[in-house]
Amino acid sequence: GQNIDQPTEMTATEGAIVQINCTYQTSGFNGLFWYQQHAGEAPTFLSYNVLDGLEEKGRFSSFLSRSKGYSYLLLKELQMKDSASYLCAVVDSNYQLIWGAGTKLIIKP
Amino acid sequence: GAVVSQHPSRVICKSGTSVKIECRSLDFQATTMFWYRQFPKQSLMLMATSNEGSKATYEQGVEKDKFLINHASLTLSTLTVTSAHPEDSSFYICSARRQGADYEQYFGPGTRLTVT
Repeated sequence: GQNIDQPTEMTATEGAIVQINCTYQTSGFNGLFWYQQHAGEAPTFLSYNVLDGLEEKGRFSSFLSRSKGYSYLLLKELQMKDSASYLCAVVDSNYQLIWGAGTKLIIKP
Repeated sequence: GAVVSQHPSRVICKSGTSVKIECRSLDFQATTMFWYRQFPKQSLMLMATSNEGSKATYEQGVEKDKFLINHASLTLSTLTVTSAHPEDSSFYICSARRQGADYEQYFGPGTRLTVT
């Protein structure tokens, strides 16, 4: 079966750095997305990785290792507004998005 | 670019009535649109995938006669919840995939349905 694992919840301090991990086992791989979702709102796009390595975009970076079936989202200089759920999603061989359950990130002052 | 709208944003209806939710891609053509449901504190659950001009593909456990999906044009898909019940109360989110482009899905803002 297809499976995407990410921690259910994480807590971090304002101004700090946090890394949210995602491991996947899917039928085929055509890329991995990270989305941010605030409570009561729809997800918004953060990043897309299809090749191994680190993609940096401002305070957010995303890393992919296809051989390990592993990705992480790195958030730097955390702000209170970063409190949200972070969803990992993999594009499988049928070009469908397989969603993780999401990681709820709680930022404390 | 790549803006998706949903209407209405919130709707309250009585049990037994039907509700239609519209999903529009405003500045691009979407051959494929997706309908998700999300219950409080849970992840997105894909309900169905709709391709313009053809029947929607429903996920296992989703009743196609209850959740009617129409994707009549490259910019519009509708979800009709028929004979709604309180257990259908949820956050419904659509997304659209750009025609001929990558696999990113652009999400609408969601529709909060409350069935009383």
